[in-house]
Amino acid sequence: GNSVTQMEGPVTLSEEAFLTINCTYTATGYPSLFWYVQYPGEGLQLLLKATKADDKGSNKGFEATYRKETTSFHLEKGSVQVSDSAVYFCALSGYSNAGKSTFGDGTTLTVKP
Amino acid sequence: DAGVTQSPTHLIKTRGQQVTLRCSPISGHKSVSWYQQVLGQGPQFIFQYYEKEERGRGNFPDRFSARQFPNYSSELNVNALLLGDSALYLCASSSPDRANEQFFGPGTRLTVL
Repeated sequence: GNSVTQMEGPVTLSEEAFLTINCTYTATGYPSLFWYVQYPGEGLQLLLKATKADDKGSNKGFEATYRKETTSFHLEKGSVQVSDSAVYFCALSGYSNAGKSTFGDGTTLTVKP
Repeated sequence: DAGVTQSPTHLIKTRGQQVTLRCSPISGHKSVSWYQQVLGQGPQFIFQYYEKEERGRGNFPDRFSARQFPNYSSELNVNALLLGDSALYLCASSSPDRANEQFFGPGTRLTVL
């Protein structure tokens, strides 16, 4: 079956540091890949997505590239801010149906001033 | 437009009781999915409904059931509650023309004592 593995956290960075959160997946076929962010006490918000190999999703300075050869979708940001502190989830779904998504366990990011 | 709404926000039940959680999707969205998020883990897929029909079911016992109404709102019902059912229950909706993008509600926090 499908599975998603994220780097274990928590991750603590200073403001303006470079961020990488690793994500690898196992899936049949050609899944769509997602990164979601969850702020305390809230639901999940879609951060970015990629639907085919070599696609790069980007939003709010975050980027991730769909690497089929390494089955990875690592999240990066060049300069984090305190407001980026949250839990980040990597997820996958079958093509054209995000409604049955498989999620990783999340990585907690804390950014200190 | 309003986002996905869920009710109630919080709920406390005792073992053996039954609970019903409610979800209203974004206007125009016909697909609703339910996820269970245990503290410290990623969301786990429970059900997906589209046009009132079940389109998928995750690895959950028969104590969990759901339905979707003609206005596309949905209910998740859990019978014979166990302590392990304590979790954040998330509802997500998606539209037919952008099925690979789902929008999450804030969740219902269920505590079973």
